[in-house]
Amino acid sequence: KNQVEQSPQSLIILEGKNCTLQCNYTVSPFSNLRWYKQDTGRGPVSLTIMTFSENTKSNGRYTATLDADTKQSSLHITASQLSDSASYICVANAGNNRKLIWGLGTSLAVNP
Amino acid sequence: SQTIHQWPATLVQPVGSPLSLECTVEGTSNPNLYWYRQAAGRGLQLLFYSVGIGQISSEVPQNLSASRPQDRQFILSSKKLLLSDSGFYLCAWSWGDTDTQYFGPGTRLTVL
Repeated sequence: KNQVEQSPQSLIILEGKNCTLQCNYTVSPFSNLRWYKQDTGRGPVSLTIMTFSENTKSNGRYTATLDADTKQSSLHITASQLSDSASYICVANAGNNRKLIWGLGTSLAVNP
Repeated sequence: SQTIHQWPATLVQPVGSPLSLECTVEGTSNPNLYWYRQAAGRGLQLLFYSVGIGQISSEVPQNLSASRPQDRQFILSSKKLLLSDSGFYLCAWSWGDTDTQYFGPGTRLTVL
């Protein structure tokens, strides 16, 4: 069964600190993995996308990693800001746009 | 640039009433269009997918339906709402074979 599991479910950190969110996926076939940021009450916005041949990809203070052998991905946020408070969702593509396997997300709260 | 609109932003409807949610995309032609539902504590669930006018694929059997009367207009409907239809409804678009999806602001539907 195709599935994506994220941890932790929720996380609270202080402004300026770093954090790492985890994603384990069981998807076949595997096309790519994407991280989305979803602000409360808004639609998700894509942060990064990685294929199985890519290990690391950065987007500003966001750095995603992918280990295709262990089927694990992480999203590292550096020097967190209050605006980073959101849900971060891991999505694995199992072949096409109709076969996106969405995780439940990690709810991140950055406190002053 | 491309923009995607959804309305209404929030909606409270009684059980058994009809539903019509609208989504429009500006700044692109022949987009792929999607309707998702995000229920509390659950990941995004793809409801409908459209590659062109009048072409609708249903991913999940339910009492909802979708229509695409114009190239950049996507409508989600129901004749009789159920309590289980409550959730956050998101419209998204992508172009061609790319799998980057761009989401609208969403509609929060509460069925009482």
